[in-house]
Amino acid sequence: QVQLVQSGPEVKRPGASVKVSCKASGYTFTNYAISWVRQAPGRGLEWMGWISAYTGNTNYKRGLQDRVTMTADASTGIAYLEVWSLGSDDTAVYYCARIREPDTEGLCDSTTCYPGDSWGQGTLVTVS
Amino acid sequence: DIQMTQSPSTLSASVGDRVTITCRASQSISPWLAWYQQKPGKAPKLLIYEASNLEGGVPSRFSGSASGTEFTLTISSLQPDDFATYYCQQYNGYSLTFGGGTKVEIK
Repeated sequence: QVQLVQSGPEVKRPGASVKVSCKASGYTFTNYAISWVRQAPGRGLEWMGWISAYTGNTNYKRGLQDRVTMTADASTGIAYLEVWSLGSDDTAVYYCARIREPDTEGLCDSTTCYPGDSWGQGTLVTVS
Repeated sequence: DIQMTQSPSTLSASVGDRVTITCRASQSISPWLAWYQQKPGKAPKLLIYEASNLEGGVPSRFSGSASGTEFTLTISSLQPDDFATYYCQQYNGYSLTFGGGTKVEIK
């Protein structure tokens, strides 16, 4: 069955960076994209961006693009999220999710866009 | 960027109640709207995609509908397992957005 397994909790100092991994199994990794979502304590879900596991193309949330890097290694089926220049408001649980991205023109149809149908267990990143 | 306004933020209901949650998009996104359920300490679970399609394995008491830029999640008869927080998400195009969430509490 489809599974996304994330790396363990991290504690980082302000100004440091963190790299979270998401290992996919049970499906063809390059047929989907990986989306990253975070949730600060007691808050709602915040979409951060996605990476196509096939092309490596990325799309980041405006305002995060200068501090975030998403990569995907098709040979291992692992996606990575790196966040730079951490501040206290980056303390959150970080989730990866399998999605289908839009086509090259940013358009959706029944063969492209699909929301997160499988999620990782979450990785707590504490900045303190 | 597309904004999603979800209401109410909190809802108190009893087992057996019919429950309705609404999301309004700042521009046209139909039908690219999903609903998720999240329980404390757990990852979100996809319930509905393309505004009204039930994800596999999701009970039929959950349903979704759309009218223009307004989207609705309905639980026809609330069950004990349904007390959770619900989020809408638009996925029309390159950038995605979540609504603010609705916590369904026991009345």
